[in-house]
Amino acid sequence: DTEVTQTPKHLVMGMTNKKSLKCEQHMGHRAMYWYKQKAKKPPELMFVYSYEKLSINESVPSRFSPECPNSSLLNLHLHALQPEDSALYLCASSQLWGINTGELFFGEGSRLTVL
Amino acid sequence: GQQVMQIPQYQHVQEGEDFTTYCNSSTTLSNIQWYKQRPGGHPVFLIQLVKSGEVKKQKRLTFQFGEAKKNSSLHITATQTTDVGTYFCAGPNAGKSTFGDGTTLTVKP
Repeated sequence: DTEVTQTPKHLVMGMTNKKSLKCEQHMGHRAMYWYKQKAKKPPELMFVYSYEKLSINESVPSRFSPECPNSSLLNLHLHALQPEDSALYLCASSQLWGINTGELFFGEGSRLTVL
Repeated sequence: GQQVMQIPQYQHVQEGEDFTTYCNSSTTLSNIQWYKQRPGGHPVFLIQLVKSGEVKKQKRLTFQFGEAKKNSSLHITATQTTDVGTYFCAGPNAGKSTFGDGTTLTVKP
């Protein structure tokens, strides 16, 4: 069982839809991450939040909009996505962030299909 | 930017055979982490190595961190069907954990 909870597990959306992915952790971790993973590829970092502030944005298109309402929650707002954005979106958290980033705890992911 | 390379990309073994995956970074790492992702699953943390030349064991798994802290390996002794999955190394750099391409292990019973 994972201690990082992601909803929904599956999402199908059209290119004009607006949807959100949600992530929650109650381990007291102060860093939270969004990763994108395509089939047979490694996770690719999208965003990092540290102490509820956006610390890293890996040049992600603006159709992806992250939000960290508090230290336990992380959202990813989706708007006007393209079919090539279909992927597994993974949320992760860690106790530490920075030069000594420690173990990442991943959620089970949200599998997104854009039609 | 930092690059983390892993070989081999795929490894097919008979149950009971050994397995090794190798990870090489283009830059010196403060630490290296290993994750396992089962088919259809999510990455799960296995271990973190911090010290130069460090060796750690978890039952049949042996992890090594190179003396220069730029390479690492994972060795599984006597593979079992439960070992199937993709093994990723990850090297944190300036707050970004860069994952290697992974080695996908299949085990024939």
